Amino acid sequence: RKEVEQDPGPFNVPEGATVAFNCTYSNSASQSFFWYRQDCRKEPKLLMSVYSSGNEDGRFTAQLNRASQYISLLIRDSKLSDSATYLCVVTATSGTYKYIFGTGTRLKVLA
Amino acid sequence: GAGVSQSPSNKVTEKGKDVELRCDPISGHTALYWYRQSLGQGLEFLIYFQGNSAPDKSGLPSDRFSAERTGGSVSTLTIQRTQQEDSAVYLCASSFSSGKNTQYFGPGTRLTVL
Repeated sequence: RKEVEQDPGPFNVPEGATVAFNCTYSNSASQSFFWYRQDCRKEPKLLMSVYSSGNEDGRFTAQLNRASQYISLLIRDSKLSDSATYLCVVTATSGTYKYIFGTGTRLKVLA
Repeated sequence: GAGVSQSPSNKVTEKGKDVELRCDPISGHTALYWYRQSLGQGLEFLIYFQGNSAPDKSGLPSDRFSAERTGGSVSTLTIQRTQQEDSAVYLCASSFSSGKNTQYFGPGTRLTVL
C-alpha cells in the first residue's frame, strides 16, 4: 500500500461547480498535512496547510480526519484557472522534514 | 524576493555520461531538499541538508547519485554513469528549517537520458 494515495482523476467539472478530492495516508503518526498545486510542467506550489480543526481560504476548504486517516480538499465555485494537479502531502512523523507526496489528482474546469 | 533557482532547466545526455544539477535556495533558508518526479509519478524524496548537519541521503536510489551543499547555500546533485531510468524532473526545495516549515520549490531540471 502506498503511503499516500489519491484518485488520479481527471475530474472534469464545469465552471462554478463544487468539487472535492480525498487523500488517504497510511502512517497514523503523521503530524503535518498540506495540499500543493502543480500546473503542467511547473513546480509544486503550496495551496494550503491542513489543520486538525479544518481550515478555509477563500473558495478552498481543507479537512483532516485523523481517525480515518484521510484529508480532503473542497473547491467551491470552480474557475478555469483552478485546472491543475492537486498534490496531497504528508510528513513522515512528528516534526520531520520528509514530505511524502501523493501522485496527485488532476482537475479540469471546463467553460 | 527571489525564489529557488535551478540550472540547467533542461539537460539531455547520453547514457553513461555524468551530469551535475545545481540548486540555489532562497536566501536565509537553512534546509534544502532534492526530489525526483518521473512521468506520471509522485515526487520522490532523494536527499536533505540542514545547516551543518550530516545530510540525510536515505532517498538516493543508488550510489551513482550524490549531492553536496557548499557553504550552506548552493547545492549540486551529481548523477554518474546516467541510465535511461534516471530520466525525470529533478526538483529542489528549501525552507527556513526542518519540521513544519513550508518547502518552496524551484522550477526543476528536466533530465533526459538517451
